[in-house]
Amino acid sequence: DAKTTQPPSMDCAEGRAANLPCNHSTISGNEYVYWYRQIHSQGPQYIIHGLKNNETNEMASLIITEDRKSSTLILPHATLRDTAVYYCIVRVAGGATNKLIFGTGTLLAVQP
Amino acid sequence: DAGVIQSPRHEVTEMGQEVTLRCKPISGHNSLFWYRQTMMRGLELLIYFNNNVPIDDSGMPEDRFSAKMPNASFSTLKIQPSEPRDSAVYFCASSLDGGRTDTQYFGPGTRLTVL
Repeated sequence: DAKTTQPPSMDCAEGRAANLPCNHSTISGNEYVYWYRQIHSQGPQYIIHGLKNNETNEMASLIITEDRKSSTLILPHATLRDTAVYYCIVRVAGGATNKLIFGTGTLLAVQP
Repeated sequence: DAGVIQSPRHEVTEMGQEVTLRCKPISGHNSLFWYRQTMMRGLELLIYFNNNVPIDDSGMPEDRFSAKMPNASFSTLKIQPSEPRDSAVYFCASSLDGGRTDTQYFGPGTRLTVL
């Protein structure tokens, strides 16, 4: 699976959009971009994933560049409860090795 | 659905003792994963099962660790004998293999302290 690079930490004001970047310059054509987050003392939680097109669900939006070498997770209106470590992972969906490799992630601190 | 259930939530034991962590995956899920999380090493995959069969145990640190999945609704991770460096939070996760998202659902974790 391709490696990802994320900033170690970011701040965001409550109510504003949080934009979390991820670089995955070695991504392969059949690898998806997944985002999970981990709120303190809890297990990781799935947020969203995509292959090429932008995706949106009730939690967030995922913007993937045309060359697929980077992506941005957008939380449109961040709240204090969104303070967490956010992990960007690239992997083949439904592949024989169905596992997630977690990096160090980005610690997003939402400020009141 | 109750989600992934892990027990115990906290375990404190002494070095050399046997420790057994338990996991009940979400009903209908056919893949199960055991992870370990420490400050130094982050989240690491230890082993995962598909249809109760171990598929990849390359993350199991050493022979002191063993995992079983006797049926689709139960798995154990055993450490024997335990050592202080095994202190960590152990997470179990399950997924529906072949599902559209391959989303993994994590349990609340077991915080293990080995004295």
